[in-house]
Amino acid sequence: GAGVSQSPSNKVTEKGKDVELRCDPISGHTALYWYRQSLGQGLEFLIYFQGNSAPDKSGLPSDRFSAERTGGSVSTLTIQRTQQEDSAVYLCASSLPRGEQYFGPGTRLTVT
Amino acid sequence: GESVGLHLPTLSVQEGDNSIINCAYSNSASDYFIWYKQESGKGPQFIIDIRSNMDKRQGQRVTVLLNKTVKHLSLQIAATQPGDSAVYFCAGRFMNNNAGNMLTFGGGTRLMVKP
Repeated sequence: GAGVSQSPSNKVTEKGKDVELRCDPISGHTALYWYRQSLGQGLEFLIYFQGNSAPDKSGLPSDRFSAERTGGSVSTLTIQRTQQEDSAVYLCASSLPRGEQYFGPGTRLTVT
Repeated sequence: GESVGLHLPTLSVQEGDNSIINCAYSNSASDYFIWYKQESGKGPQFIIDIRSNMDKRQGQRVTVLLNKTVKHLSLQIAATQPGDSAVYFCAGRFMNNNAGNMLTFGGGTRLMVKP
């Protein structure tokens, strides 16, 4: 595709429910990153994929967060038993190895 | 630790004036820094980057200065326009073989351009 796409663009969920966020990277980009951006804050690194493997999961805030990537392309970030503090914009970026990161528009998650 | 931060949360400038957005970092183990622009409802957009072996780099209407002695980075925007209104983030790539091109972002500065 022309750029990184993410879906849904907005998600409102009730506390305790599970959510899945999707990222479609730029075709051919082997690296994929997930970040979280709370209101008025900078970006917090969550996880990085090189191909289908995630060498660094240290940024995931808790064991309720998990991510996978299949076929070296689409990635999903799953948050189980959502809490209000999970409310944020979740951004995905992709790049060539050690290249410039291109960001998607983000998914705004609101946990009520 | 690894942190990148900003001096000012909000900067208001008159259209046509030059803007300077500052950023400080604490970890000198970085091979390059990037400035991003984020407009409302959109993801960050790359503006300009600079490698740690340089102290200045110029783009179209933008200049990034890097002072490694004091661990300071700045973005200068010439002849600021209303379309420049956005939040600007600096980010540093810190040496981490496990996280590829992982970036550490500062908190952001909101630039407001007055007509």
